[in-house]
Amino acid sequence: QKEVEQDPGPLSVPEGAIVSLNCTYSNSAFQYFMWYRQYSRKGPELLMYTYSSGNKEDGRFTAQVDKSSKYISLFIRDSQPSDSATYLCAMLRGANSKLTFGKGITLSVRP
Amino acid sequence: DTEVTQTPKHLVMGMTNKKSLKCEQHMGHRAMYWYKQKAKKPPELMFVYSYEKLSINESVPSRFSPECPNSSLLNLHLHALQPEDSALYLCASSQGEGAPYGYTFGSGTRLTVV
Repeated sequence: QKEVEQDPGPLSVPEGAIVSLNCTYSNSAFQYFMWYRQYSRKGPELLMYTYSSGNKEDGRFTAQVDKSSKYISLFIRDSQPSDSATYLCAMLRGANSKLTFGKGITLSVRP
Repeated sequence: DTEVTQTPKHLVMGMTNKKSLKCEQHMGHRAMYWYKQKAKKPPELMFVYSYEKLSINESVPSRFSPECPNSSLLNLHLHALQPEDSALYLCASSQGEGAPYGYTFGSGTRLTVV
């Protein structure tokens, strides 16, 4: 079993839809949870970072962490064509640990 | 300045060439990283520098040689690469090794080995 599993894609939604992206993990030592957005031929851009169970909101984006279920989600409200990108979840155990990525999911928002 | 700057953006090199990739950050981050990313795959860690010292080498072939001249700069020296080494090479930095806040990636160097 991989340490981090991410829902396979690709995912295509109409503009304005609510998008839910999900990852599960098996290692309870993960403490920090990030979501990166990567546009084609660009580097990953850090969108959200959380470290406790619960929700964290930033504009149209909400990151949710459920440590008891080892499950994290990223919600995108009022999705826009400019949200079309690959979304990667990533996790850290703590200091001096490696960033562990999910496989990534490609999202396409249709105008 | 909240950026990690990588140069060049694109590089084509022959298998006998020697080239270098450069990375720079001015955020005061003390950890810097090299990643390799193949198409439709997540980034794979290659090297970690913490406080200018090599902390992690993920069993990377010796044809890749990292260098950290100072706390703001990170280089990756390339020699005798193979076509399968063609990929997007990403530099990243963070406040400390494994620190999550501000773990920032550059835009990458797209390397093609011919």
